[in-house]
Amino acid sequence: SQQGEEDPQALSIQEGENATMNCSYKTSINNLQWYRQNSGRGLVHLILIRSNEREKHSGRLRVTLDTSKKSSSLLITASRAADTASYFCATDEYGNKLVFGAGTILRVKS
Amino acid sequence: DGGITQSPKYLFRKEGQNVTLSCEQNLNHDAMYWYRQDPGQGLRLIYYSQIVNDFQKGDIAEGYSVSREKKESFPLTVTSAQKNPTAFYLCASSMGQRGEKLFFGSGTQLSVL
Repeated sequence: SQQGEEDPQALSIQEGENATMNCSYKTSINNLQWYRQNSGRGLVHLILIRSNEREKHSGRLRVTLDTSKKSSSLLITASRAADTASYFCATDEYGNKLVFGAGTILRVKS
Repeated sequence: DGGITQSPKYLFRKEGQNVTLSCEQNLNHDAMYWYRQDPGQGLRLIYYSQIVNDFQKGDIAEGYSVSREKKESFPLTVTSAQKNPTAFYLCASSMGQRGEKLFFGSGTQLSVL
């Protein structure tokens, strides 16, 4: 089952610009997570936001969660070439295992 | 260094052959997971285990088998019944069971000869 759906599928920006990715989901959740994957590598956890939180920051990352709209966004500020990767949201389906979306491919041009 | 080790990085399977992907973790995590990733798609759960000697099917378990005899190890066997095995396989672990943060290995790319 596919819970989170990311939008856009692909995003290309210039270094220094901000990148925004969105995630929508269908069922109630306890938390939502964002992961990054460099090409041919495993996923790396970026940030977890719980259902009772509306916004969370970690360095250049800002995540928002709107449970009424069942959506989340990931903002990367002042992007760098090293931010080029795929970004996935993941939600806990009924508080159990994580379900991942198809991801957003971000390309940051230097 | 603590982490998850997957091996091999690349694996080739012949027609009708079973192959086993290794996953070892030294994070002392209770839960372990196997995901399959196809190009341009998200991760799909194959099997997961929350405790030693116990595991559950995920969304796409057909054609796969696992074992969890030790806390540190969760090998995945891709059997000959899996007709489309070419994919990137990712192993992950977490401390607990309730949708917490996952730690991933670096993956195994399986291809069919």
